Amino acid sequence: DIQMTQSPSSLSASVGDRVTITCRASQDIKSYLNWYQQKPGKAPKLLIYAAVALQRGVPSRFSGSGVGTDFTLSISSLQAEDFATYYCQQSFDNVMTFGPGTKVDLK
Amino acid sequence: QVQLQESGPGLVRPSQTLSLICTVSSNSFSSGSDYWSWIRQPAGERLEWIGRIYSGGDTNYNPSLKSRVTLSVDTSKKQVSLSLISVTAADTAVYYCAQSRAGTRFFDSWGQGRLVTVSS
Repeated sequence: DIQMTQSPSSLSASVGDRVTITCRASQDIKSYLNWYQQKPGKAPKLLIYAAVALQRGVPSRFSGSGVGTDFTLSISSLQAEDFATYYCQQSFDNVMTFGPGTKVDLK
Repeated sequence: QVQLQESGPGLVRPSQTLSLICTVSSNSFSSGSDYWSWIRQPAGERLEWIGRIYSGGDTNYNPSLKSRVTLSVDTSKKQVSLSLISVTAADTAVYYCAQSRAGTRFFDSWGQGRLVTVSS
């Protein structure tokens, strides 16, 4: 299986901050990388697919970048509703795998 | 807007079979191109993909669970089913069903999840 790692595992930020989360794959996954947001007690929500494409309805403050093994999710100006856990997921391999998550909480 | 709803027992005894159903409200259910996955999440842990099934019945499973998992589909009822045999406490998790549209490789619609506890 392709192993996914994320850094940091958690971060504290304030409303208005720019936030960056990194995801790394254990092998080249081209651009087959997706990002999800999950709030406590809720199902994950798709934010970004194919590394850079913004899912319909997702605010433009979210953006994704990267190719190969290193990827980034950025939030340009953190809003109160963005405090959540973020997961990356690779879909290059038939066995899809997720990262361990990055929890974003209020400083 | 696609809606998915998981249902089934919330408590399963060790060594027994975990069975869940995902009911899908989607006009594309019988198209043969969309597919549905089961994904689980133990408390405080990362998401784990269990497997997927197309409306035509083709399946792919996570090798780590393949010997214990069966997915099936009932197009007339718009339902996808998960069966996991010989469960242990390690199978305790929230189980989600999720839809992927034809030609895509991401999960763009999710059910609300069903917590299943394995305990005697």
